[in-house]
Parts: sequence; structure tokens; C-alpha cells
Amino acid sequence: KQEVTQIPAALSVPEGENLVLNCSFTDSAIYNLQWFRQDPGKGLTSLLLIQSSQREQTSGRLNASLDKSSGRSTLYIAASQPGDSATYLCAVSHPGTASKLTFGTGTRLQVTL
Amino acid sequence: EPEVTQTPSHQVTQMGQEVILRCVPISNHLYFYWYRQILGQKVEFLVSFYNNEISEKSEIFDDQFSVERPDGSNFTLKIRSTKLEDSAMYFCASSEEGQETQYFGPGTRLLVL
Repeated sequence: KQEVTQIPAALSVPEGENLVLNCSFTDSAIYNLQWFRQDPGKGLTSLLLIQSSQREQTSGRLNASLDKSSGRSTLYIAASQPGDSATYLCAVSHPGTASKLTFGTGTRLQVTL
Repeated sequence: EPEVTQTPSHQVTQMGQEVILRCVPISNHLYFYWYRQILGQKVEFLVSFYNNEISEKSEIFDDQFSVERPDGSNFTLKIRSTKLEDSAMYFCASSEEGQETQYFGPGTRLLVL
């Protein structure tokens, strides 16, 4: 059974700092991995999707990497801003059950002024 | 920008009552999903739906749950006889044919008393 873990559970950084969020998964036979952002009381917003054959994806200040063989992904946020404060979730899917996402525990990020 | 909408935003019900949670997926999307998030826990997959039938479901999605696309725009989740442990945030999501990114709605917070 796939287990997805994210560390740290919470992180507080001053504005402007670069930061890395970590995601690990126990079954490396994934189809893709997605990073989401969740704001309090709101839904999930997809940030980046990495196919299993890819190593990384970039969108603006965000860069996600994937090391499938070691069961790890990182989300790098450059020059953090207070508006980046949210919970960040990673989720994986598997071949044959590609519509089913298995989510991680999340990292709650606070960017302070 | 098109978005997934859900109604109601909050629902309080008595144990044993039936509830119907409603979702309007993005209009050109053909794949639909329900997830739930119990307070403080991970987001969990419930069910995916395509071409008017369930394509995948989790162990959580037992006989108490059902989904329906009653018309061309709505997608509903029915819980026949709610239990205390059904209290959670329920998220609807949708995706396009050939695309893996899932777009989530803002959620319905269900409280069973």
C-alpha cells in the first residue's frame, strides 16, 4: 500500500528566503506526482504535475523535482512571499489507477514579513 | 477562469439522515472525482466517475455512498445514512480527457451530529 509522507509538517520562514519542501513515497511505481496548495477552508490548487518519466517541472518561482527510484520529490520555492503561506500537499498516482491520487500529510508553510 | 463549484459550503445533519453533496465540474471535463478530508488527516480518494459509471472506488466508498450525474452539469455524492465518522470536508474534482491534472472545488464541510 502506498504511503506518502511530507516533512517538515510545518515550516516558518522570513520573506525572501528560498525553501524546500520534501515528499517521499514508499512504492516507486508511480504514474505521476502532483504538488497542490491548500489555503485554509478552501480547495486544492494544482501547482505542478511531474510525469514518472520526468525529472523536474518549473512554474514561475516553483520548481518540483522527482527521483522516482528513491521515492522522493522536492518542491523548491524561490524568494518566498507572504502570499505563499498555505499548506502544500503532494500526491501520487499509479499506472492502472491513474485517477486515484494518494495524498501526503502536507507541509504547513508560513512566510513572515 | 473556469472552476469547480460545490454546494452547500457547509452542511449539518443528524446521524442516520441522508445527505446529497453537489458539484458542478468544469464544463468540458469528462472525469469526475470525490475526495474527503477528515479534520487533521490526509485527503483521501473516494471515487472516480467517467462515461456515466464509476471507474474506481476506494474501500471507504461502501454501499452507503453513491454518485450520480443527474444532468449535463451536476455531479452528486449521496450518503444514505450518515454516521458520525462521515464528518469531513468533501472535495469534488474534475479533469479533462487526456489530461491528468485534477481541478478541485472549494469543498463542502459536512458535520454529522
